[in-house]
Amino acid sequence: QKEVEQNSGPLSVPEGAIASLNCTYSDRGSQSFFWYRQYSGKSPELIMFIYSNGDKEDGRFTAQLNKASQYVSLLIRDSQPSDSATYLCAVGGYSSASKIIFGSGTRLSIRP
Amino acid sequence: DAGVIQSPRHEVTEMGQEVTLRCKPISGHDYLFWYRQTMMRGLELLIYFNNNVPIDDSGMPEDRFSAKMPNASFSTLKIQPSEPRDSAVYFCASTEDSKTYEQYFGPGTRLTVT
Repeated sequence: QKEVEQNSGPLSVPEGAIASLNCTYSDRGSQSFFWYRQYSGKSPELIMFIYSNGDKEDGRFTAQLNKASQYVSLLIRDSQPSDSATYLCAVGGYSSASKIIFGSGTRLSIRP
Repeated sequence: DAGVIQSPRHEVTEMGQEVTLRCKPISGHDYLFWYRQTMMRGLELLIYFNNNVPIDDSGMPEDRFSAKMPNASFSTLKIQPSEPRDSAVYFCASTEDSKTYEQYFGPGTRLTVT
């Protein structure tokens, strides 16, 4: 079993709709959770992080965390063609000394 | 700040040759990470340093790989001898020792071993 699992996609969503990306993780001791966006041929870029159960909103992005279910999600509201990218879920420990384990990513395509 | 700087951006080499990848982290960042990304295996952590000291190198594939950080502003990842299966994009990332520990990635080095 992979430590961080994501559906590879592609996930196709019409422009203006909500895109929902999901991620599960195996280590119950994980304390920090991240979503990175990676455009084709570019480096990953952090867009959201969450540490506590519940929702965290930042503009059009909402990260959701459920530690009991070991589940993290990212919602993108009012999807734009510029949101088309691969989204990497990453999970880490309790401090900056801990490794961050990345999922293999979900490819998101926003169709006009 | 210029961000994380990596060189070269592209490297093509023949099997058996030595390859050296270079990274300059963001000034003031305490942590430096080396990752490898392939279609098959995704983004894998190879090694990371804190204050120039290697903390975890369990991701280094084998003895052909070595990494050094002689000072706070420079790190190298060396592959000797290189093999075709080492072909990948190698990213360097850095972060400061803060609560968020957001990792800032460099542009990557695309390595092709023929």
